[in-house]
Amino acid sequence: DAKTTQPPSMDCAEGRAANLPCNHSTISGNEYVYWYRQIHSQGPQYIIHGLKNNETNEMASLIITEDRKSSTLILPHATLRDTAVYYCIVRANTGNQFYFGTGTSLTVIP
Amino acid sequence: NAGVMQNPRHLVRRRGQEARLRCSPMKGHSHVYWYRQLPEEGLKFMVYLQKENIIDESGMPKERFSAEFPKEGPSILRIQQVVRGDSAAYFCASSPRAGTGNEKLFFGSGTQLSVL
Repeated sequence: DAKTTQPPSMDCAEGRAANLPCNHSTISGNEYVYWYRQIHSQGPQYIIHGLKNNETNEMASLIITEDRKSSTLILPHATLRDTAVYYCIVRANTGNQFYFGTGTSLTVIP
Repeated sequence: NAGVMQNPRHLVRRRGQEARLRCSPMKGHSHVYWYRQLPEEGLKFMVYLQKENIIDESGMPKERFSAEFPKEGPSILRIQQVVRGDSAAYFCASSPRAGTGNEKLFFGSGTQLSVL
């Protein structure tokens, strides 16, 4: 599976949009981009995933560049409860595992 | 609407003892994954199992660690003769089908193992 690169930490003001970038320049055509988050010591929580097209659900939006070498997770209106470590993961359709990198520690500031 | 259930939530063992961690996947899920998270680090893949089969154990330490997912009952991660370096959070995840790429994993709350 392709590896990902994320900034180690970010801050976001409460109520504003949080834009979390991820580079996956070695991604293959059959690899999906997944986002999970981990709040404190809880189990990772699924947020969203996509292959080529942009995706939106009740939690977030995922913007994937046309060349698929990078993506951005958007939390439209960040709340204090969104403070967490966010992991960007790429996974092949034959992959048996998710590779978790070091993620981005997002702090939402009141 | 039970999710992935892991128990115990916290486990304390003395060096040399055995630790048994249990994971019950979501209803209808027949694929189980185990991950380990050391303090201040990301999750590391350990093993992927289907019912009665180990599919990928490339992340498992060669000694003292074993995993099973029997036909009936939960998946078990067993650590024999624990050492202090085994202290970590162990997470289990499940999915209904094999890795098609478009299949998300659902994670449990983890077992925090502390070795004294």
